[in-house]
Amino acid sequence: SQKIEQNSEALNIQEGKTATLTCNYTNYSPAYLQWYRQDPGRGPVFLLLIRENEKEKRKERLKVTFDTTLKQSLFHITASQPADSATYLCALGDYGQNFVFGPGTRLSVLP
Amino acid sequence: EPEVTQTPSHQVTQMGQEVILRCVPISNHLYFYWYRQILGQKVEFLVSFYNNEISEKSEIFDDQFSVERPDGSNFTLKIRSTKLEDSAMYFCTHSGRGNEQYFGPGTRLTVT
Repeated sequence: SQKIEQNSEALNIQEGKTATLTCNYTNYSPAYLQWYRQDPGRGPVFLLLIRENEKEKRKERLKVTFDTTLKQSLFHITASQPADSATYLCALGDYGQNFVFGPGTRLSVLP
Repeated sequence: EPEVTQTPSHQVTQMGQEVILRCVPISNHLYFYWYRQILGQKVEFLVSFYNNEISEKSEIFDDQFSVERPDGSNFTLKIRSTKLEDSAMYFCTHSGRGNEQYFGPGTRLTVT
């Protein structure tokens, strides 16, 4: 069955550093991969989408890579700020099919 | 991107009771979804709804669950006989052009 793992349950990082979160998957060949941010008690908020034929996507301080050979996506937040503290979810999807979400990584950016 | 609205924000019910969760979708969107998230766990797909019909459903979405669009606008998720393990946040979403999901604020369901 499909399995998605995110590198760690929690990640602490110092303000100003680059946070790197990992999403690994097995038994799946997604057409695209998405990253979401979730704050406590709130619904996930869409951040970035990357397709299987794309290697890298950027949006402001965010960068996502997608390696379909390694079955892995990396999510980077550069110049991290305490306001970036949240849980980050990766989600895999295929056209016409539902999404499968990973368990999330709780990021804490320390001032 | 406009957000769907969901009511109620919090529902407390007794085991065995029926609950109806409501979502007001965004106009001009055809695909809608329900997801749930048990406290501390991952977001789980329940059902997708396209053009007023169920498109796909997960194993979680058993006979106790149903979805409807009774008046052509509001979108409901009904749980016929709630169990303790149905306690969770329930999210209604719609999809964007790239299939990204836009989540509503959610309904917290507590079954006692």
